[in-house]
Formats: sequence, C-alpha cells, structure tokens
Amino acid sequence: QVQLVESGGGVVQPGRSLRLSCAASGFTFSSYGLHWVRQAPGKGLEWVAVIWYDGNNKNYADSVKGRFTISRDNSKNMLYLQMNSLRAEDTALYYCAKDRRNEYGDGVDYWGQGTLVTVSS
Amino acid sequence: QLVLTQSPSASASLGASVKLTCTLSSGHNNYAIAWHQQQPEKGPRYLMKLDSDGSHIKGDGIPDRFSGSSSGAERYLTISSLQSEDEADYYCQTWATGIQVFGGGTKLTVL
Repeated sequence: QVQLVESGGGVVQPGRSLRLSCAASGFTFSSYGLHWVRQAPGKGLEWVAVIWYDGNNKNYADSVKGRFTISRDNSKNMLYLQMNSLRAEDTALYYCAKDRRNEYGDGVDYWGQGTLVTVSS
Repeated sequence: QLVLTQSPSASASLGASVKLTCTLSSGHNNYAIAWHQQQPEKGPRYLMKLDSDGSHIKGDGIPDRFSGSSSGAERYLTISSLQSEDEADYYCQTWATGIQVFGGGTKLTVL
C-alpha cells in the first residue's frame, strides 16, 4: 500500500535552515506529483509547494516563495523540502502528500503522518 | 481569486446524517474538489474527489456512509449513520494551474 514517511523536523532558530525528507513506497513514484502541506498548531491545512512527476515544474505558496525549495529524486523515491530563512510563522506540522495525477493537479489522495518543525530562539 | 469557504463547525447525533458544505468562489463553479478527514491527533485522510456534476471517486476503504454531491458552486459531503469515529475536522481542497487551495475546515461534533 502507499506509504509516505516524513523526517527531518526539529527545533531551529529564526533565520536558520532545515531540510525535510519524505520516503515514498507502494506506488510508481516517478508518475505522480507530490506536495508539501503544513498545519500550524491549532490551525487548518495550508498548501506549501508542489513538484510534478519529472521534477521540471514546481509551484509555491506566496508565503514561502523565495525561501523554500521543493525537489525530488525519482531514483530513490524521495521528496525533499529545503527551508531557508525560517520564521516563527513557519512553525507547523509538515505533511508530504501524493497527487492523483502526474501534473496539473487532481487532488491529494494519500498523506503522510507529518514531521514537526518548530522555529524558536 | 480561488477560495473555498466552509462553516467552522457542525454537529449531529449518533446514527443520524449530516451534510457538510464547501463553497467555491465566484467564477469557479465548474471546479472539482477533494474532501479530506482529519481525526483528532492524526494526519489527514483522503475521502473522495468530487466533480461539478456530482460524480466522485472515493479513497481506499472509505465506507459507503460517505457520499458527495454538487450544486452550482456548492460541494457537499454527506455522512450517514454517524459513528463516534466520524468526529473530526473535514477539509475541502481544490486546484488550478500553479496553486492548491484548502478550505478553512469544518469541525464535526457527534452528539
């Protein structure tokens, strides 16, 4: 079955960097788009970024554009999120999520369990 | 601007039915959405993709008690024969070129 397992979260000071990873299994990784979605404590879901099947097209939420970079390694079935210049408002549980399509989007159909990022001095 | 609007809360009795609403912003009546459930202290779970004509594609293992329907800009999630484990937050999601949007979520309380 489809599994998405996030890692790399932790406590980091404002202005510093962190890299999240997501290990995927149970589907043909290179055929689907993948998202990062976050959830601040007590808040709703906020989409962060998407990378389409071949890694050539990516999109970002305005709140992270220029600071975060999404990437994937189709040879390793891995998704990444490089987070730079972190701010307190980036504190959240970060979920890896699989799209139903390879590009253009068709909704998320599988979610990971999340990894917690806390930005605090 | 593509926006999804959900009521913050809803409640219904054990064994009853409830209909949750997700409203698309003006000019986006033909957009599909996805419904997701988030039980307390758990990650989200995909329930279904719902098209503007009311057709839907459910996720693996989603019971028949969960169904979707559409009318104009409204997208609905109906849960029948409510069980205690249905108490959760429910989010709708939609998408367009370059963006993904989530509604604010509806917290469902099962009385």
